[in-house]
Amino acid sequence: SQQGEEDPQALSIQEGENATMNCSYKTSINNLQWYRQNSGRGLVHLILIRSNEREKHSGRLRVTLDTSKKSSSLLITASRAADTASYFCATGLQTGANNLFFGTGTRLTVIP
Amino acid sequence: DTEVTQTPKHLVMGMTNKKSLKCEQHMGHRAMYWYKQKAKKPPELMFVYSYEKLSINESVPSRFSPECPNSSLLNLHLHALQPEDSALYLCASSIQGPGETQYFGPGTRLLVL
Repeated sequence: SQQGEEDPQALSIQEGENATMNCSYKTSINNLQWYRQNSGRGLVHLILIRSNEREKHSGRLRVTLDTSKKSSSLLITASRAADTASYFCATGLQTGANNLFFGTGTRLTVIP
Repeated sequence: DTEVTQTPKHLVMGMTNKKSLKCEQHMGHRAMYWYKQKAKKPPELMFVYSYEKLSINESVPSRFSPECPNSSLLNLHLHALQPEDSALYLCASSIQGPGETQYFGPGTRLLVL
């Protein structure tokens, strides 16, 4: 069963605007990851934040993690049309073989 | 080589056919995975092969059977599939365990008629 829920399910913004998507999860985690998927293609890893970290940056990406609220957010600044894709959070648990669970995903559309 | 490759890209098969999907990585990763993804849904884990040990998602039907000939290759054998098995099948690998960063292949789009 999936571990994470994301909102919004879909987001449409103008090029240049910032996009924020949120992820909530249910159990204790080792890390939380964000992946991007262009339509019908494989997933691309964007960023990983560990449970003892609160914020992480990578280029135009900013990820926050609040373990007390079991939530994370992904901020994409100065969006571009090429950012149009589905974005998934995934939680890495501490034990167990099947311990990477994907959220429901946010479909981002950036309008040129 | 920093990629995961999958063949074929597309596959159409009848319900009585037997086919195989192939996945390969040369990054020295010790864990490999098969996922099934339906449209507008997240990937669902089917199988994990980690440190030469295969873990199976108990909900996966026996008409799917994985095979790992060596640490760089992972196959998925398909037999007597149903139309509802039509989906994007994704292979991934990670350096160590399943909880770490995974590197995905481009997927095989499967259509079962």
